[in-house]
Amino acid sequence: GAVVSQHPSWVICKSGTSVKIECRSLDFQATTMFWYRQFPKQSLMLMATSNEGSKATYEQGVEKDKFLINHASLTLSTLTVTSAHPEDSSFYICSPTSGANLGRSPLHFGNGTRLTVT
Amino acid sequence: DAKTTQPPSMDCAEGRAANLPCNHSTISGNEYVYWYRQIHSQGPQYIIHGLKNNETNEMASLIITEDRKSSTLILPHATLRDTAVYYCTYGGSQGNLIFGKGTKLSVKP
Repeated sequence: GAVVSQHPSWVICKSGTSVKIECRSLDFQATTMFWYRQFPKQSLMLMATSNEGSKATYEQGVEKDKFLINHASLTLSTLTVTSAHPEDSSFYICSPTSGANLGRSPLHFGNGTRLTVT
Repeated sequence: DAKTTQPPSMDCAEGRAANLPCNHSTISGNEYVYWYRQIHSQGPQYIIHGLKNNETNEMASLIITEDRKSSTLILPHATLRDTAVYYCTYGGSQGNLIFGKGTKLSVKP
């Protein structure tokens, strides 16, 4: 199956600082990247969708100026949580896709980043 | 958007088959149903997917009803390592997957 590398796996930061999460597709070109977050004991919720070279599309209720997404290359996308606050503490998961057979082939996911803001 | 209904939790004895049901009555005719599982603090792991026909792979079997409104994931011989949250899911408007609350499967010795 597709190899997805997400880094870091966990991070603790102080309130007001920014954190960058990287997601790499190691054996395919990711034209589209889905970013999810998961609060404790809840399911994965889509935050945003980005296409390589384009601006990301954010889901309702997700602040685009707070969660900066860069998808400048076909193998790397980053999510930066700016001015993080304790309520941003969550599990962030990326899901890159080549876009081929979208809907007919499984999506693959990174192993997630556990963000704790103190 | 997609909506699935699964029992919140199930227990299964080690070595026995685990049958996990899912209702997806609003799935459209050309949408695949996917099953994933998530072990604590990890990303979702793909298990199996199908459209109309039953499917089997090295991990599990998938039984889809003829009307496609529900499906059952079968783990034929559950092990302790199969303890996880299992999600059935299908498509969002952008090609993403929409996840419900899933079923927490506990495999007990």
